[in-house]
Amino acid sequence: QVQLVQSGAEVMKPGASVTVSCRASGYTFTRHYLHWVRQAPGQGLEWMGVINPSGGGTTYAQKFQGRLTVTRDTSTSTLYMDLRSLTSEDTAVYYCARVLEGSNDAFDLWGQGTLVTVSS
Amino acid sequence: QSVLTQPPSVSGAPGQRVTISCTGSSSSIGAGYDVHWYQQLPGTAPKLLIYTNINRPSGVPDRFSASKSGTSASLAISGLQAEDEADYYCLSYDVNLSGYVFGAGTKVTVL
Repeated sequence: QVQLVQSGAEVMKPGASVTVSCRASGYTFTRHYLHWVRQAPGQGLEWMGVINPSGGGTTYAQKFQGRLTVTRDTSTSTLYMDLRSLTSEDTAVYYCARVLEGSNDAFDLWGQGTLVTVSS
Repeated sequence: QSVLTQPPSVSGAPGQRVTISCTGSSSSIGAGYDVHWYQQLPGTAPKLLIYTNINRPSGVPDRFSASKSGTSASLAISGLQAEDEADYYCLSYDVNLSGYVFGAGTKVTVL
């Protein structure tokens, strides 16, 4: 079954770092770029960054540069998102999303989402 | 404030046709970057509805259609059904931001 399965919910303290994972199955991991998108409670979608799983190259939204690191492990077909220096404004559901083959940036497969709550 | 502007809400009776606009600029849609549309039902992950401006993925009803012209794009839902009640987002690339941007989303209500 083609799917992206994310790690479970996290509760973090302000100033801490969080790692969210996203395991791909049912397709060739290195053939599709992968993105991270987040959604704060009651708010819209926000693009965070993208990785080429084949070569590992990344691009981040300007807002997150210096605070976000996206990596992948091709041996386990797993994508990782590390976000540092968390504040309450980082409380959100974080999604990984796969790019449709043949497209540059249409996200055809999404993970189920991971809720990250930042609270003291 | 998003660089892609969508109306906060649209509504229609069952069977009617509604449209959602997505207005960008010369650095996004107007620069030729593709527009994609997503549907998000409450409590679920977004779903790809339209890709590369006008194309429907397999399984998406042909009641959904889209277009793109100049610095704007639009999504149309014909024969509105109760199950279409959801949030809809457009997505494109912005060269000034060197990244992707979503519209703020439009809530569709079926009256």
